Amino acid sequence: NAGVTQTPKFQVLKTGQSMTLQCAQDMNHEYMSWYRQDPGMGLRLIHYSVGAGITDQGEVPNGYNVSRSTTEDFPLRLLSAAPSQTSVYFCASTGLVHEQYFGPGTRLTVT
Amino acid sequence: GQQVMQIPQYQHVQEGEDFTTYCNSSTTLSNIQWYKQRPGGHPVFLIQLVKSGEVKKQKRLTFQFGEAKKNSSLHITATQTTDVGTYFCAGTGSARQLTFGSGTQLTVLP
Repeated sequence: NAGVTQTPKFQVLKTGQSMTLQCAQDMNHEYMSWYRQDPGMGLRLIHYSVGAGITDQGEVPNGYNVSRSTTEDFPLRLLSAAPSQTSVYFCASTGLVHEQYFGPGTRLTVT
Repeated sequence: GQQVMQIPQYQHVQEGEDFTTYCNSSTTLSNIQWYKQRPGGHPVFLIQLVKSGEVKKQKRLTFQFGEAKKNSSLHITATQTTDVGTYFCAGTGSARQLTFGSGTQLTVLP
């Protein structure tokens, strides 16, 4: 049981480039989320999904897209990277008592 | 929108001293969760509190949920170096979304 996996672990992008952060879970959880973590600001919700085919915006959705074609996978796309998107990105799936299981994170730098 | 404030932002303690972090919400919460994040790691779920005035213990950790369900605390008795990390609270409000506090970074000096 791998839990929540994320790739890549580290990424450097130039301003304007696009990329997809991958997230997968093997716990058959319906609810999945993407967060970004910045110093002193905790974790802020970007997008979430309550099941395959259903996604919605969180607190800070601008500049990001998501899709959920399967229960297992929940990729996050950066459309045109900006320095303000330099952050650590965590994917999470939600358990039975609404606890979050986080992946190991992707550390993204945009230059 | 819902805001969850957490204090202090940083705390340095000598090993063996106690530590407390406090979480306050601008709105009534249906539940509060606590997470621990080791340096360089990811947040790990510790516990969830649901009832008004609830107190739960995990070894040296004591978690409380306020009577009005707008505040919570985590107290660690006799800290150890293994307690080092950032502790986050996260609350679910009327919008049924989880909002995280900014975290308290704990340093334990040997």
